[in-house]
Formats: sequence, C-alpha cells, structure tokens
Amino acid sequence: AQSVTQLDSQVPVFEEAPVELRCNYSSSVSVYLFWYVQYPNQGLQLLLKYLSGSTLVKGINGFEAEFNKSQTSFHLRKPSVHISDTAEYFCAVSLNTGGFKTIFGAGTRLFVKA
Amino acid sequence: DTGVSQNPRHKITKRGQNVTFRCDPISEHNRLYWYRQTLGQGPEFLTYFQNEAQLEKSRLLSDRFSAERPKGSFSTLEIQRTEQGDSAMYLCASSLGSGNTEAFFGQGTRLTVV
Repeated sequence: AQSVTQLDSQVPVFEEAPVELRCNYSSSVSVYLFWYVQYPNQGLQLLLKYLSGSTLVKGINGFEAEFNKSQTSFHLRKPSVHISDTAEYFCAVSLNTGGFKTIFGAGTRLFVKA
Repeated sequence: DTGVSQNPRHKITKRGQNVTFRCDPISEHNRLYWYRQTLGQGPEFLTYFQNEAQLEKSRLLSDRFSAERPKGSFSTLEIQRTEQGDSAMYLCASSLGSGNTEAFFGQGTRLTVV
C-alpha cells in the first residue's frame, strides 16, 4: 500500500526566512509526486509536481521541491517566505497505474510571522 | 473554463436527513474523484469514475454513501441518514485520462450535521 508522511504538523517561520516542509512516501510501484496548498475554506491548488526527468522541480509562488528516490522523499522549499504563504500544505502521491488516484499526507500548517 | 465546480458550498443538516452534493468537472476530463477531508487531516479518497463507470470505492464509503456519474459529465454524492461523523469537507477533483495524473480540485462542499 502507498502512504505519505509529512514529518511536521506545524512550521512557524518569520517572514523572509527560508522554509522546508518535509515529505516522505512509501510505495511498491512508481508514483508521481505533488505538493498542493490549501487556503482557509478553499479547495486545493497545485504548487508543483514531479512526473519524471529532473529531480528538482520548480512550482508557483517561488516554491521548489526535490525528488530523492533513495530516501523516498519530496521536500518542499522556499528561500524567502511571505505572510501570504500562510496556509496548509499537502504532499501527495499518485499511482502510476490504474485510476491514478491521489493519496495525501496529513498536511503541514505553515505559519509565517511578521 | 471555470474549473471544477461544486454545489452547494455549505450544507447544514439534521442528523438522519439525506443530503446530495453535485460536482461539475472540467469539461474534457474523463476521470472524476471524490474525497473527504476532516479538520486537521489530508483529503481521503472515497471513489472515482472513469467516464460514467465507478471503478473504485474506498472502504470509507459505507452503504449510506452513493455516488453517480450518469452521463460521464457531472457527478452526485448522496449521503443517506446522515450522522454527526459525516461532518467534513467533501472535495471533488477531475483529471484527463491517458496517463495525465494532475487532478484539479473544486472548492469543496462543507457538510455540518447537527
């Protein structure tokens, strides 16, 4: 079975500081990897995705993530955060087979302080 | 294209009542997914359709839950005899077939059972 573990439930950080949100996954088959962001009372918005190719993936709003197959990780990073980045971030995997359903982690709440 | 649309956005119902939610996917997307998200958790997969065929159902989908996609376009999710534990955000997503795995999410329907 596939699973996604987000290692931090909450990450407080000061504005303009760098941030890393950690994600590990387990799967016996190849997967696609995603990071989604959710603002209060909103749906999910895709930040970035890894399907194949370069292991460093750049997304929207200045975020990037690096796929590490040996460590089964897909950590999300941003060099300098803004107050507006305060939100819930979800790491997810989609099976490279069948219906491509997406399995989500429990989420990490990023709280950017002034 | 306005993206994935869900109605209603909010629903408050009394325990024991039936409720129905609607999802209109992006028009050319043939895959449609339903997820449930409770407070502080990531979305949990409920079911998915390929066109009008319901191809997978999670064990989370009890007999009180039924989903349909009669013409391969919009979908409905019905909950019969609602319980307080059904209170959650219900998210719909859609994606293209042919291996493209990026799912686009609607803003969700928040159900409160009182």
